[in-house]
Amino acid sequence: DAGVIQSPRHEVTEMGQEVTLRCKPISGHNSLFWYRQTMMRGLELLIYFNNNVPIDDSGMPEDRFSAKMPNASFSTLKIQPSEPRDSAVYFCASSLTGQPSYGYTFGSGTRLTVV
Amino acid sequence: QQQVKQSPQSLIVQKGGIPIINCAYENTAFDYFPWYQQFPGKGPALLIAIRPDVSEKKEGRFTISFNKSAKQFSLHIMDSQPGDSATYFCAASRGSGGYNKLIFGAGTRLAVHP
Repeated sequence: DAGVIQSPRHEVTEMGQEVTLRCKPISGHNSLFWYRQTMMRGLELLIYFNNNVPIDDSGMPEDRFSAKMPNASFSTLKIQPSEPRDSAVYFCASSLTGQPSYGYTFGSGTRLTVV
Repeated sequence: QQQVKQSPQSLIVQKGGIPIINCAYENTAFDYFPWYQQFPGKGPALLIAIRPDVSEKKEGRFTISFNKSAKQFSLHIMDSQPGDSATYFCAASRGSGGYNKLIFGAGTRLAVHP
């Protein structure tokens, strides 16, 4: 298994532009999580899906952020318009609900820089 | 509450030392407590986990100690090596309902000097 695949690995964009981050979870996993990591705030849960349905989006900072999971093998996190304070590393993780002993499998992250 | 408090923020030990990282939680509904290890440029990876029905779990050089009454748990790394230098995160989740949403601590940056 290739693990959780995120793209792009790095993204540099100008303030006001739309940014789309992509994630392919591990095949068979039915829970997907988007986290944001910064030095100041650590790992913050933005949103999570179970069986492609958004369960909790209370961590999404603003309406500028949106996430979709159109099928079991793909999810996107979109920021529109982007701002410098959105600069962070964004991680996607997947897991098999009901099997916490296997934990989350994280992708390698997307480092976003908004200038 | 959902918060998990982790300390210290950073830790430096000599090779062979035993670094200890502590975490505390408030929500008594939490029933799964993992530790994740993160190397620079990588995502966190599951290291070891414990449930509240046991007080200690060992996997290789890594040990979790759990104190249910105090709502605290800690990670000990025996015979630490420079390769253990990484950021460590504790976490907690409530498994009921089938949704294992993890709440992470702030992280501890560990440096093991040769």
